[in-house]
Amino acid sequence: AQTVTQSQPEMSVQEAETVTLSCTYDTSESDYYLFWYKQPPSRQMILVIRQEAYKQQNATENRFSVNFQKAAKSFSLKISDSQLGDAAMYFCAYRSRPGYSGGGADGLTFGKGTHLIIQP
Amino acid sequence: GAGVSQSPSNKVTEKGKDVELRCDPISGHTALYWYRQSLGQGLEFLIYFQGNSAPDKSGLPSDRFSAERTGGSVSTLTIQRTQQEDSAVYLCASSFRTRDSPLHFGNGTRLTVT
Repeated sequence: AQTVTQSQPEMSVQEAETVTLSCTYDTSESDYYLFWYKQPPSRQMILVIRQEAYKQQNATENRFSVNFQKAAKSFSLKISDSQLGDAAMYFCAYRSRPGYSGGGADGLTFGKGTHLIIQP
Repeated sequence: GAGVSQSPSNKVTEKGKDVELRCDPISGHTALYWYRQSLGQGLEFLIYFQGNSAPDKSGLPSDRFSAERTGGSVSTLTIQRTQQEDSAVYLCASSFRTRDSPLHFGNGTRLTVT
């Protein structure tokens, strides 16, 4: 079964600075998808960015970008020019192909999350 | 609707009572997922549906928990004889059942058992 590890329970960054949230995973698959979700105090989980494992180019979405290192099984999220609205819990998620028997929850695995604090 | 809708938003119930939590997924999404999130914690998988069937119920914590989905749309999560440890936020998500499809989450139901 896949595992997703977010080793930073909490991170703090000054407004306008850059912060990187780490995520590592363990899998025997070669093709899969990775996601970062944001959960503000409103509780709703919001998709931030996604990465296809067979694409070498790192995904970017405005101020959010990832550093995907397939060999190292690492998928970190970089937030540039941090804003107060970025304060939230951030969850890394792994998705194998639907129905993959090696993973429960329909092949979806979430990390335990990183609480990001933005200092004004 | 435009997004995943969950009701009620908040529910306070007495220990021993039964509760029903509802999830209305995005139209056309064949997969539906229930997660539980305790205060400040990560997501705990409960169950997922593909259409009306539930291929994976492995996350349901006990036989007090059950879920159904009808018409390939609305799902109900039922907790019987609630206990204080059931207090949590229950999140529902839906997606197309392809690997590149992200989950779309509802705002959750905060359940408090007194």
